[in-house]
Formats: sequence, C-alpha cells, structure tokens
Amino acid sequence: EVQLMESGGGLVQPGGSLRLSCAASGFTFRNYGVNWVRQAPGKGPEWVSAITSSGGRSDYADSVKGRFTISRDNSKNTLFLQMDSLRVEDTAVYYCVVGYGSGTYYDYWGQGTLVIVS
Amino acid sequence: DIQMTQSPSSLSASVGDRVTITCQASQDISNYLNWYQQKPGRAPKLLIFDASNLERGVPSRFSGSGSATDFTFTISSLQPEDIATYYCQQYDSLPQVTFGGGTKVEIK
Repeated sequence: EVQLMESGGGLVQPGGSLRLSCAASGFTFRNYGVNWVRQAPGKGPEWVSAITSSGGRSDYADSVKGRFTISRDNSKNTLFLQMDSLRVEDTAVYYCVVGYGSGTYYDYWGQGTLVIVS
Repeated sequence: DIQMTQSPSSLSASVGDRVTITCQASQDISNYLNWYQQKPGRAPKLLIFDASNLERGVPSRFSGSGSATDFTFTISSLQPEDIATYYCQQYDSLPQVTFGGGTKVEIK
C-alpha cells in the first residue's frame, strides 16, 4: 500500500526557515516524480513544487520560487522541502503528493503537516 | 497561469438529489481535468481523472464531463457521505497544476 508521511511542520516566525520531510513506502519511490501541494486555511489546494524521479529537475510555483528548495534522497525513500524566508502567507497544511497511477493526477496524498508562520 | 473558476462556491441539497458543479478554465485545456473530494481534516481524494474517467473504487453516482474550457461534475443521487468540498484541477500546464476554488456541498 502506498503511504506518504510528512513531518517537520510547526510554528515559525516570519523570515524563518523550516524543513519538511516526507517518508514514502509501499512503492518504488525512485521511479516516481513527487510534488508538494499546500492548502491555506479555508482555501483550495495550491501546487508548490515538483521533482522528477531522479531529482534532476525541479519546478516551483512563482509564489515560492527562490525561497523554497525541493530535494529527495532515493536511498532513504524521502522527499524534502526546505523553506526559507517564510512569510505569513506561507501558513498552510503541506501535503506530499504522488501521481502513482499516472503523472497527470494525484492519487496518493500524505496526511499533511501544518506550517504556521506568525 | 491557467485559472479555474468553479461554481457554485456552495450548495445545499437533499438526499437523493442530483447535484451539478461546473468548472471553467481560462483557456482550452482539452480534457486535462481532474476532480477531487475533500472531507474536513482530510487530504483531497481523487474521484475523476481526464474529465470523465472514474477512479477505481469510486461509486458510480459520481461522473464528469466536458472538454476545452467547460466541465461538469455530477452526483446523480446525493448521499449523506458525500458531504464534502469538491475541487477541479487542470493539468494542461504540468507540473504547474491549478485547482478551482472549491464547492462545498451540504445536506438540506
């Protein structure tokens, strides 16, 4: 069974940093691109970042470009999101998401980790 | 960026009613459109992919249709367990997908 488990969220002051992790299991992690998607309180989901299966390419939403860095360790089946220069508007639940059946939809989501910037 | 406009933002219907949600894209996205259901405190769940394909294990009362810029999501007979917020999502601009604003479905 595909499982994704995020950790690392918490309360941080504006301008601070936080590193999120996502532990993957139940599938061959190194074969799949993975995404971070966030959801601010009362809002719809927002795609944040994606990384290819090898880690050779990454993409970012304009709202986080230059401040967030996505990475992965395929030897440990783990995805990361380094978040620097955090802003109040980055407050959200952050989900690790994979398109296991197809890269065109998100069929597996983690439970999310809450980041509060205040 | 491709914008997705969902309507209505909320609706109230009776058990057994037919419920319809629309999603409009700001440009032609072919059938590159998915639908998700989100219950409070939970992650979104994929229901429909490629505009009209039902995800495995999802009840057949859920359906989707449309192409280009106009899409429709339907619950043929609303059940109490369908209370949730529903989102459309385009993937024409992978990996930079965008979601609609959501439609909150309640029981009357």
